[in-house]
Amino acid sequence: SQELEQSPQSLIVQEGKNLTINCTSSKTLYGLYWYKQKYGEGLIFLMMLQKGGEEKSHEKITAKLDEKKQQSSLHITASQPSHAGIYLCGADYGSGAGSYQLTFGKGTKLSVIP
Amino acid sequence: ETGVTQTPRHLVMGMTNKKSLKCEQHLGHNAMYWYKQSAKKPLELMFVYSLEERVENNSVPSRFSPECPNSSHLFLHLHTLQPEDSALYLCASSPALAGVGDTQYFGPGTRLTVL
Repeated sequence: SQELEQSPQSLIVQEGKNLTINCTSSKTLYGLYWYKQKYGEGLIFLMMLQKGGEEKSHEKITAKLDEKKQQSSLHITASQPSHAGIYLCGADYGSGAGSYQLTFGKGTKLSVIP
Repeated sequence: ETGVTQTPRHLVMGMTNKKSLKCEQHLGHNAMYWYKQSAKKPLELMFVYSLEERVENNSVPSRFSPECPNSSHLFLHLHTLQPEDSALYLCASSPALAGVGDTQYFGPGTRLTVL
């Protein structure tokens, strides 16, 4: 089974609605990165979480890392069509090799209907 | 503008062709990476370079050959590829190799189709 699971795989929401995407790890995270990807394009860095219980926000997007550092959630408030894309979480398991050894989830595809 | 550019954006090649993908970063970073993204699979790290030295090669077939002539440029040379190599190839860079917080910044990718 995969180390990093994202749920749901896809999500369709009406514009203005709130939504949450989850990223669950099978082992303790050293750091957790959230990226957004437009179809067929590169990844845009959103946020990085490191400490248990940490929460960060940018505009209408809030990411949290649970106290046990095994699960992260990404919450979008009042979704807009510009939020549509694929959201990827990347895990740093702190193998001693630093942040370059990221393990990525398969992504959550978000569609926002106007 | 992410500061990481990739060319070409799209590439179609036959199995006997030789082609190269190019990545350039304008961020002053010291580490660069090649990833492969296939449909319905997680991103796969292929190669990592730090200060022009290769530090990671994740069991990538020899038909993929990376080159890092300086810390701003990274190439992926392709030779006798297979149809299953069709994917989005992403380049990334980060300030340094080690340490949490050295976020990787990605380029737009090259969409490769092998016929």
